[in-house]
Amino acid sequence: DTEVTQTPKHLVMGMTNKKSLKCEQHMGHRAMYWYKQKAKKPPELMFVYSYEKLSINESVPSRFSPECPNSSLLNLHLHALQPEDSALYLCASSHLDMMVYNEQFFGPGTRLTVL
Amino acid sequence: AQSVTQLDSHVSVSEGTPVLLRCNYSSSYSPSLFWYVQHPNKGLQLLLKYTSAATLVKGINGFEAEFKKSETSFHLTKPSAHMSDAAEYFCVVTSGGPTGGGNKLTFGTGTQLKVEL
Repeated sequence: DTEVTQTPKHLVMGMTNKKSLKCEQHMGHRAMYWYKQKAKKPPELMFVYSYEKLSINESVPSRFSPECPNSSLLNLHLHALQPEDSALYLCASSHLDMMVYNEQFFGPGTRLTVL
Repeated sequence: AQSVTQLDSHVSVSEGTPVLLRCNYSSSYSPSLFWYVQHPNKGLQLLLKYTSAATLVKGINGFEAEFKKSETSFHLTKPSAHMSDAAEYFCVVTSGGPTGGGNKLTFGTGTQLKVEL
């Protein structure tokens, strides 16, 4: 299995809702990533998990709350979002190695619309 | 600090003609470089990667790229474009040395490739 899956594909939510995005991989990768991508822009890193521990938080607002329950799963909990948070949310995973870089494998994304 | 410059925001070619997407990078380290492709409303797919082995890197779907340290370039080429190649292409450089805490990537701004009949 060489893919990263994300659910749901599309999500529409109001500013007072609580929702979660889910990401799963079965490639044995020990690093998992959340990115936000606005239209016509490159992805922006939000969070990195390494060995199920949060290793990088790119100063993301607290209305985004990541969680890594195990080495295969990554969640992003959403609460009190703003319309400007509407974007494509991408999950990625990679091997970890102290000597070489490993490519990141991306999921298809969740298209989020905040009303 | 690392940076990536994709020299063309849009490239248009005819089907069957060569493709050239240009990328220059800046890095304090010996970088690893990647090209990713993104079709509309899809995730990113890795085309190829350079990690200090052979300077000419072959990727999927007939794409290849050459790492030129003297020119700090990593241009993407394909001999003959196909309609299915129409997509957004990102040149990516790793940020900093490899760590056990996950790898940060620096993305270029992207090149939109249009393929016409």
